[in-house]
Amino acid sequence: DVKVTQSSRYLVKRTGEKVFLECVQDMDHENMFWYRQDPGLGLRLIYFSYDVKMKEKGDIPEGYSVSREKKERFSLILESASTNQTSMYLCASRQGRAEAFFGQGTRLTVV
Amino acid sequence: SQQGEEDPQALSIQEGENATMNCSYKTSINNLQWYRQNSGRGLVHLILIRSNEREKHSGRLRVTLDTSKKSSSLLITASRAADTASYFCATDAHTDKLIFGTGTRLQVFP
Repeated sequence: DVKVTQSSRYLVKRTGEKVFLECVQDMDHENMFWYRQDPGLGLRLIYFSYDVKMKEKGDIPEGYSVSREKKERFSLILESASTNQTSMYLCASRQGRAEAFFGQGTRLTVV
Repeated sequence: SQQGEEDPQALSIQEGENATMNCSYKTSINNLQWYRQNSGRGLVHLILIRSNEREKHSGRLRVTLDTSKKSSSLLITASRAADTASYFCATDAHTDKLIFGTGTRLQVFP
């Protein structure tokens, strides 16, 4: 069965901390995504990776970076967490332009 | 931003009624997909329609696509309380990047 796993369901971090959100997929998909979801704003793309070590900025990359050292793992990094990065973070993967599979989401609170 | 928009933002209906939600997008696309999200969870894929298709059915779901108007609609027939969720459209243009809309919150009352 297809699976995308995010490392944490809930996370609380302090302002200024470096935060790592991990996502692992077991489907050998080329494409992986990080989205941020806020009420009324839908899902906004932060970063997209189309291959190992390859990445492309989405609509809101500021304050974030990503890492994809292995095909199955895509990490989102908040270099210095701020309160305006409190949000739900969703990871997804897909093969080519087929359907995307999502993780369960990480609700991050920055205090 | 390339993000599309869904309309309405929220919709409340009784069980047995039909629910229609619309999606508008900004650029030419290869295909359009609809997803469902139960409260606070990840999204689940519902249906994909290609840019050369005009209509597609899957069970109680009917999707239409009008590329000249850059719009799509999702119809859920004979709604059930279990259909209560948020619904999102998503498009990819000429890359594999997947862009979502703002979503419609559907509430179905028993």
